[in-house]
Amino acid sequence: QEQLVESGGGLVKPGGSLRLSCVASGFIISDYYMSWIRQAPGKGLEWLSYISPSGGFTNHADSVRERFTISRDSAKNSLFLEMRSLRAEDTALYYCARGRRDDYKPNDYWGQGTLVTVS
Amino acid sequence: SDVLTQPPSVSVSPGQTARISCSGDALTKQYGHWYQQRPGQAPILVIYKDNARPSGIPERFSGSSSGSVIMLTISGVQAEDEADYYCQSADTTGTFVLFGGGTRLTAL
Repeated sequence: QEQLVESGGGLVKPGGSLRLSCVASGFIISDYYMSWIRQAPGKGLEWLSYISPSGGFTNHADSVRERFTISRDSAKNSLFLEMRSLRAEDTALYYCARGRRDDYKPNDYWGQGTLVTVS
Repeated sequence: SDVLTQPPSVSVSPGQTARISCSGDALTKQYGHWYQQRPGQAPILVIYKDNARPSGIPERFSGSSSGSVIMLTISGVQAEDEADYYCQSADTTGTFVLFGGGTRLTAL
């Protein structure tokens, strides 16, 4: 049974940093594209970043490119999002999601999210 | 610019057919996908590659595509279908992910 569980969210002051984690079970994350997607309170979905199965290619949305970094640890079957210089507008529920083996979309499995509050 | 546009809301009576549109230039080159998000829950993929239905998704969910518009159709809407629906695609270069703004479906 494929499952994704995010952690690492919390309350952080503006300008601070946070590292989100996403542990996968039931599949091997290095076989798939993996993404981070967030949702601000009462707002829609916003794609942030994805990493290729090989780990050799990453891409980030322009809104976070200079501040967020996606990475993964195959040994731990885990995905990460390093966030720095956090702003109030980064307050959101952060989801990790699985893509395809050959494409970063669509996303067929999602975690339940971890909440980041910047205040 | 690469933007996906959805109507903010759609309302239908239970048992009727709901149609939710998503438009954008990128859709002439890229596939579109649809997600359902019930309150307090993570999104669920309900349609991929314009009109394919993942296993476990009821047959009343279908998708279509014409030019720069994709459509999600829910036939015989049930109360449990009340949710926010998001379309997803990529920009015309296939590099960045795009989400529509979301459509709230209400079964009156």
